[in-house]
Amino acid sequence: NAGVMQNPRHLVRRRGQEARLRCSPMKGHSHVYWYRQLPEEGLKFMVYLQKENIIDESGMPKERFSAEFPKEGPSILRIQQVVRGDSAAYFCASSPARGSGANVLTFGAGSRLTVL
Amino acid sequence: GQQLNQSPQSMFIQEGEDVSMNCTSSSIFNTWLWYKQDPGEGPVLLIALYKAGELTSNGRLTAQFGITRKDSFLNISASIPSDVGIYFCAGLVLGAGSYQLTFGKGTKLSVIP
Repeated sequence: NAGVMQNPRHLVRRRGQEARLRCSPMKGHSHVYWYRQLPEEGLKFMVYLQKENIIDESGMPKERFSAEFPKEGPSILRIQQVVRGDSAAYFCASSPARGSGANVLTFGAGSRLTVL
Repeated sequence: GQQLNQSPQSMFIQEGEDVSMNCTSSSIFNTWLWYKQDPGEGPVLLIALYKAGELTSNGRLTAQFGITRKDSFLNISASIPSDVGIYFCAGLVLGAGSYQLTFGKGTKLSVIP
């Protein structure tokens, strides 16, 4: 199954620690999107990346959050000095190209972060 | 920013019944999408709508893109136990430098066998 792969599926961190979430897009997809889902809420857009480029980070909190999609390897969403409010499910999606239609945005199973 | 109001928040129905849920917005969207999310999983696309007034079916599912482009509904006919899950509507506005889905808060569907 060459779907969007996210890991870890579950991550527990104490306040002040760092969380790193990884996403490998579907084979042939070069565009990655990160969304966050708080409990009982819908998904909210965070950032859109292509290889080595951040295209749109308008949904990213200004501090402590960063994302990258290097030339080699998975995309990484990094949260520094986590706080309880960061507890959420973080979903990655990928698509073959920008503007190719939202119906080709495929989501991974998510990484669930719990901050103690 | 854009917001989607999705209703109802939750539904309990008998197996075999039809289901209807809808989404409204104060903003215009160019694309409406309906997703289903199972517990512990990511959302899976059910239906995509691209034109105002468009009515599209996928098996027992039917969805419509409202004429005003500010609303959409999803119907599920003859529900079965595996229909259980959370259904999300999502809208997309295409614009320069922007490619982001706006999601509703979801409708949680429970099917009683």
